[in-house]
Amino acid sequence: KAGVTQTPRYLIKTRGQQVTLSCSPISGHRSVSWYQQTPGQGLQFLFEYFSETQRNKGNFPGRFSGRQFSNSRSEMNVSTLELGDSALYLCASSLGQGNGNEQFFGPGTRLTVL
Amino acid sequence: AQSVTQLGSHVSVSEGALVLLRCNYSSSVPPYLFWYVQYPNQGLQLLLKYTSAATLVKGINGFEAEFKKSETSFHLTKPSAHMSDAAEYFCAQSSGNTGKLIFGQGTTLQVKP
Repeated sequence: KAGVTQTPRYLIKTRGQQVTLSCSPISGHRSVSWYQQTPGQGLQFLFEYFSETQRNKGNFPGRFSGRQFSNSRSEMNVSTLELGDSALYLCASSLGQGNGNEQFFGPGTRLTVL
Repeated sequence: AQSVTQLGSHVSVSEGALVLLRCNYSSSVPPYLFWYVQYPNQGLQLLLKYTSAATLVKGINGFEAEFKKSETSFHLTKPSAHMSDAAEYFCAQSSGNTGKLIFGQGTTLQVKP
């Protein structure tokens, strides 16, 4: 069974631009979560989607948004990029929503903002 | 607010020595606890998870962790370190009806020959 895939793997943007990252969960998984990883802040939760609905949101500004499609694939969008948005963005999928469900992580998208 | 604390951002051991990575959680309800490993330029891989079935949890690659409620700890151990264990390790918790994971700051494990 294929793992979680994320595209693109690497991305370079300039300040003020917007970016869309994509995540394809493991087949059959209906929950997708997104995390931001930076050296300073570590791993921080962005959002969780289940059945095309955002179930949970982290403490990030409104420039960060996401969505989930009927096939469980998910995208996240960051508008008006800032230098501090440079990070590894990780997507994780799980069978169901909620506590205790094992989350499988993708390799991440490395975003660099110049 | 819930939090996870990993004591020691860097741990160095010799090959064959005991590995001990420390994690303390903060939760007012029984948590679900996880240990993940991250190799350079890769995502996170689950080593093991605690879901209240047993306090001693065995994971992959010879790792295990013991849940101690009285100490709010979930330390990760491995009897004998291997060079391939060099990586960054993250402890995480989730609680409530959500899949949101709260991560510790991570511990980089260095294994010396």
